[in-house]
Amino acid sequence: AQSVAQPEDQVNVAEGNPLTVKCTYSVSGNPYLFWYVQYPNRGLQFLLKYITGDNLVKGSYGFEAEFNKSQTSFHLKKPSALVSDSALYFCAVRDSNQAGTALIFGKGTTLSVSS
Amino acid sequence: KAGVTQTPRYLIKTRGQQVTLSCSPISGHRSVSWYQQTPGQGLQFLFEYFSETQRNKGNFPGRFSGRQFSNSRSEMNVSTLELGDSALYLCASTLEASGSSTDTQYFGPGTRLTVL
Repeated sequence: AQSVAQPEDQVNVAEGNPLTVKCTYSVSGNPYLFWYVQYPNRGLQFLLKYITGDNLVKGSYGFEAEFNKSQTSFHLKKPSALVSDSALYFCAVRDSNQAGTALIFGKGTTLSVSS
Repeated sequence: KAGVTQTPRYLIKTRGQQVTLSCSPISGHRSVSWYQQTPGQGLQFLFEYFSETQRNKGNFPGRFSGRQFSNSRSEMNVSTLELGDSALYLCASTLEASGSSTDTQYFGPGTRLTVL
């Protein structure tokens, strides 16, 4: 069965510092991995995805993520955090063996950036 | 290009009633998925439609149903509402021009359902 784990409910960083939001996954086939961000009372906004190829994926708003097959991880990173990055972040996976585009989401990590 | 739209944005119902939520995908997108978001359970997959056919279904009771129309618009219905159905219901659309499962899902703003 597919699953995604986000081990941290909350991550606190100071503005200007680098940030990392962790994600690990489990699938039977090849993983298609996604990061989304959600602001209060809003839907999910797509940040980036890994399908195949380069392990370092660059996305929107300066975010990037590193795919590590041996550790089954796909951590989200940003070199310098902004207060406006404070939001709820979701990691999601889709199994290449599964038909369709449905996603399995992690529980989410609240990122709080202080000024 | 307009994004995914969902109507209504907010809805208040009482236990035992039924409700229908609507989703209009991004123009040209062929697949629509529905998710339920609650503080306790997080984001859970409800079902997915492609070419008017349900392709995948999550682990929800039969009170939850959906359909997709020929223009790719989708509706979901919840019958005999329970207090626990209070949630944000999110719709997402995917292009799938070539049937690819690598495409990105784009989400609407959601419908906030409150069951009293």
